[in-house]
Amino acid sequence: KAGVTQTPRYLIKTRGQQVTLSCSPISGHRSVSWYQQTPGQGLQFLFEYFSETQRNKGNFPGRFSGRQFSNSRSEMNVSTLELGDSALYLCASSLAASREKLFFGSGTQLSVL
Amino acid sequence: QQQVKQSPQSLIVQKGGISIINCAYENTAFDYFPWYQQFPGKGPALLIAIRPDVSEKKEGRFTISFNKSAKQFSLHIMDSQPGDSATYFCAASMSAGNQFYFGTGTSLTVIP
Repeated sequence: KAGVTQTPRYLIKTRGQQVTLSCSPISGHRSVSWYQQTPGQGLQFLFEYFSETQRNKGNFPGRFSGRQFSNSRSEMNVSTLELGDSALYLCASSLAASREKLFFGSGTQLSVL
Repeated sequence: QQQVKQSPQSLIVQKGGISIINCAYENTAFDYFPWYQQFPGKGPALLIAIRPDVSEKKEGRFTISFNKSAKQFSLHIMDSQPGDSATYFCAASMSAGNQFYFGTGTSLTVIP
């Protein structure tokens, strides 16, 4: 079974631009979560989608948004990029009935110059 | 505000030694406490997890000790091996929702 796939693997953007990251969950997983990982801060929860609906949202500004499609694939968008948005963005999928085990992708490393 | 506090930030252990990583939390609504292991260039992977109705859980060389009254839990890695060198994250979640609160991570290096 294929794991969680995130594209692109690396991304370089400049301040003010916007970016879209993509995540394909494990087949059969209907929940997709997004986390931001930075050195010293660990992983910070961005949001979670289930059946195309946002179920939970973390404490991030409105510049961060996401969506989920009918095939459970998810995208995350960051508008008006700031230097502080440089981070590893991780996507995780899980079975709807089991909140316990998250399966993470390898992430998208975003650098904002 | 970090809901789960993790220490130490880094740890160096001799091969065969015991690695101990500690976490503390404040929110008594947390009812599930997993540990994740992350290798460079990879996403975190679930290592072991515990619920507050038990004080200890062991899987192979990995043990979680849980102290509900102190609101603390720790990961013990027995007979540490160089292949255990990775970053370890503790986390916590509550039954409402699928949001996990992660610690800031511990970089473990096991030297031969």
